[in-house]
Amino acid sequence: GAVVSQHPSRVICKSGTSVKIECRSLDFQATTMFWYRQFPKQSLMLMATSNEGSKATYEQGVEKDKFLINHASLTLSTLTVTSAHPEDSSFYICSAILTSGGRGETQYFGPGTRLLVL
Amino acid sequence: ILNVEQSPQSLHVQEGDSTNFTCSFPSSNFYALHWYRWETAKSPEALFVMTLNGDEKKKGRISATLNTKEGYSYLYIKGSQPEDSATYLCAFPSGTYKYIFGTGTRLKVLA
Repeated sequence: GAVVSQHPSRVICKSGTSVKIECRSLDFQATTMFWYRQFPKQSLMLMATSNEGSKATYEQGVEKDKFLINHASLTLSTLTVTSAHPEDSSFYICSAILTSGGRGETQYFGPGTRLLVL
Repeated sequence: ILNVEQSPQSLHVQEGDSTNFTCSFPSSNFYALHWYRWETAKSPEALFVMTLNGDEKKKGRISATLNTKEGYSYLYIKGSQPEDSATYLCAFPSGTYKYIFGTGTRLKVLA
């Protein structure tokens, strides 16, 4: 149980285009999902917390107009990288939690998306 | 700035060897520590949630201990197998949902 899928797994796009990444909880409802980014040899960095039916909460330094997050249903959150530039090339990974239990709650991760912007 | 550090960064061991690695985290305001195993091209898999000082948890050949007073957790693998090859991540919740991740320990078990 607690499976999270992410699509696409890999995407290459031209500079200036927008890319949408989907994160789905397959066998549970996730009121809260998280988006992380990982640069080479660095740790997972939280970008934003996504709550179903409300606006995402972005971490300091993450541009909300650049990284649009939509959490329209209890099983789907999307991250759209708008007007992508080469510096947006990174590994993006989402996670979801089962309940609102707080800091002891296990996060269930998708397999991630490798984005390369040419 | 909260810092979570893992060591070593990478590790090669022979099949059958036992190994261990460390996660260091802030000792103040401790609530929980999470361990994940992350195999290439797969989703990170939750291994343990450690909450009590002195806690020891076990899952098959993998176990973890916790020292909240000095701010570290050890992950042990007994009799390593090639399928144990993965990156092992620890995560420290710094707020309700904000988890600070270490950079991971990349383990390669050689057959």
